[in-house]
Amino acid sequence: GEKVEQHQSTLSVREGDSAVINCTYTDTASSYFPWYKQEAGKSLHFVIDIRSNVDRKQSQRLTVLLDKKAKRFSLHITATQPEDSAIYFCAAVASSSFSKLVFGQGTSLSVVP
Amino acid sequence: GGIITQTPKFLIGQEGQKLTLKCQQNFNHDTMYWYRQDSGKGLRLIYYSITENDLQKGDLSEGYDASREKKSSFSLTVTSAQKNEMAVFLCASSIWGAYAEQFFGPGTRLTVL
Repeated sequence: GEKVEQHQSTLSVREGDSAVINCTYTDTASSYFPWYKQEAGKSLHFVIDIRSNVDRKQSQRLTVLLDKKAKRFSLHITATQPEDSAIYFCAAVASSSFSKLVFGQGTSLSVVP
Repeated sequence: GGIITQTPKFLIGQEGQKLTLKCQQNFNHDTMYWYRQDSGKGLRLIYYSITENDLQKGDLSEGYDASREKKSSFSLTVTSAQKNEMAVFLCASSIWGAYAEQFFGPGTRLTVL
């Protein structure tokens, strides 16, 4: 079945710098890739997604890039702020079931002053 | 807007005990999910329900049962709690399937003594 990997368990950046979180997936047929954010002590909420018919999507300071050949997608956060500190989870829809999301292990981003 | 509520917020059980977690949503969403979150392991899907009369096993269904009582509610039962088990169980819903944003509840934190 589909596997989604986040190889960075932690990431620390200086406030104002950019942060990049990378994910890889295994299922060539996967076509939908959302990102979720979990702030300390809170539950997850959706931040941005990308579908396989495009290779880039931007929403304010967030950009998602998708490289289907490499089976890799990434979240880019520009001009980081302290409130960006959180755990970020990437995910992919399993082609075996259009109703299942497979999540990565999460990357804990710290934005330091 | 809508909200997902999970009860109880904290659940302490004894080894071998049967424990039930409840989830309610007022989004009028068709699809509901139960995930288990362990530190460093991301989210793993336990059970999901695409529509009101549907029930599907996820990757981690062994040791659990689920019930979709009505469109707005989805329960999860730990059939026999394992000693020293600690995890957070997250309920989520989406309008339909995994290609739509999932909205997460605040979680139930389980501790087994």
